[in-house]
Amino acid sequence: EIVMTQSPATLSVSPGERATLSCRASQSVSSNLAWYQHKPGQAPRLLFYGASTRATALPARFSGSGSGTEFTLTISSLQSEDFAVYYCQQYHNWPRTFGQGTKVEIK
Amino acid sequence: ELQLVESGGGLVQPGGSLRLSCVGSGFTFSNYWMSWVRQAPGKGLEWVTNINQHGSEKHYVDSVKGRFNISRDNAKNSLYLQMYSLRAEDTAVYYCARDGGVYSNSWNDYWGQGTLVTVSS
Repeated sequence: EIVMTQSPATLSVSPGERATLSCRASQSVSSNLAWYQHKPGQAPRLLFYGASTRATALPARFSGSGSGTEFTLTISSLQSEDFAVYYCQQYHNWPRTFGQGTKVEIK
Repeated sequence: ELQLVESGGGLVQPGGSLRLSCVGSGFTFSNYWMSWVRQAPGKGLEWVTNINQHGSEKHYVDSVKGRFNISRDNAKNSLYLQMYSLRAEDTAVYYCARDGGVYSNSWNDYWGQGTLVTVSS
């Protein structure tokens, strides 16, 4: 099973600042990586697939990059609605596996 | 508007069974692979199982193999998860999710709100 490791576990950021989230795979997943945003009591929301392909209606302040084992999700200027938990997921091998999540909280 | 609505969650004793349902609307249900993903209390997301458009190909995470069965009824736009021999560690919110890609292993592009399963005596 491919282990996905996200860092940091918690990121404290002020509104308007930049947030950079990392995701590392225990072996190469090529570009078979997705990012999700999850708020308490809500359905998770797809942000990116293919490491950098934007989901429908995703604001331009979000960007995804990386391939192989190292991936990054960047939010250029945090808005109030962006405070949430973010997960990466690989779908290169079975089973699909998620990282443990990065909580982006208000500083 | 695309919607996925889960139902069937509840409290069940260890060793018991439960069947979850998910109804999809706003898209052609029969064209898509579908998945179940769960989240235990205070934990992250865990993919559980998925099924192809015709119900002929299924994949499971090892921890549920032999205990859970995924199925679908395209005439009813419905996805099911039959769970047997439930354990305390199966306690979680279970999400129904649509697979976004054309291959068996892909991302999930739309998710339901989830249904809570609690396994406890």
